[in-house]
Amino acid sequence: AQKITQTQPGMFVQEKEAVTLDCTYDTSDPSYGLFWYKQPSSGEMIFLIYQGSYDQQNATEGRYSLNFQKARKSANLVISASQLGDSAMYFCAQLRRGSARQLTFGSGTQLTVLP
Amino acid sequence: ETGVTQTPRHLVMGMTNKKSLKCEQHLGHNAMYWYKQSAKKPLELMFVYSLEERVENNSVPSRFSPECPNSSHLFLHLHTLQPEDSALYLCASSQAPGGRETQYFGPGTRLLVL
Repeated sequence: AQKITQTQPGMFVQEKEAVTLDCTYDTSDPSYGLFWYKQPSSGEMIFLIYQGSYDQQNATEGRYSLNFQKARKSANLVISASQLGDSAMYFCAQLRRGSARQLTFGSGTQLTVLP
Repeated sequence: ETGVTQTPRHLVMGMTNKKSLKCEQHLGHNAMYWYKQSAKKPLELMFVYSLEERVENNSVPSRFSPECPNSSHLFLHLHTLQPEDSALYLCASSQAPGGRETQYFGPGTRLLVL
């Protein structure tokens, strides 16, 4: 069974600073996808960034980058130059391919950006 | 309309009511999903419709009944719910199989069962 672990229930960061949100996963599947989503208080789950298990390079999307360490089974999200609008819940998720297409989520990290 | 839409956004219902949640995707995807998000719990996959095949989480009670009439529309029919069913219900869609299969979510329906 897949398991996603996010060990930081809450994080604080000063505006304009960088912050790293931790994520570890546990799977025996050779092919998988890793995702990060942002959920503001409004509730919508917003896709941020994707990393494939066979990707050689770490994924980047604007201010978001993913520090992928396959041997350690970690996929940490780095947000650079934090903005007040980045305050939200952040979820790491792993896709199990196959008919179920199951996306397993971690418990999330509540990020608060301080002015 | 773009992306994934859900209606209603908020719903209050009694335990004897019957209601339906609606989801519509405008992304040309061929797979749709229902998730439940309860307070202080990770998102839980309830149902998947992919390539006309339905996959369900065996732990979902029968008082939840999905319907997917076509690849763009998804419903969740609710009847005789319990207070513990109060949660945020999220719909998502993706293009599968192949590629990233990124799931894009709607804004959710906040359900309160009294």
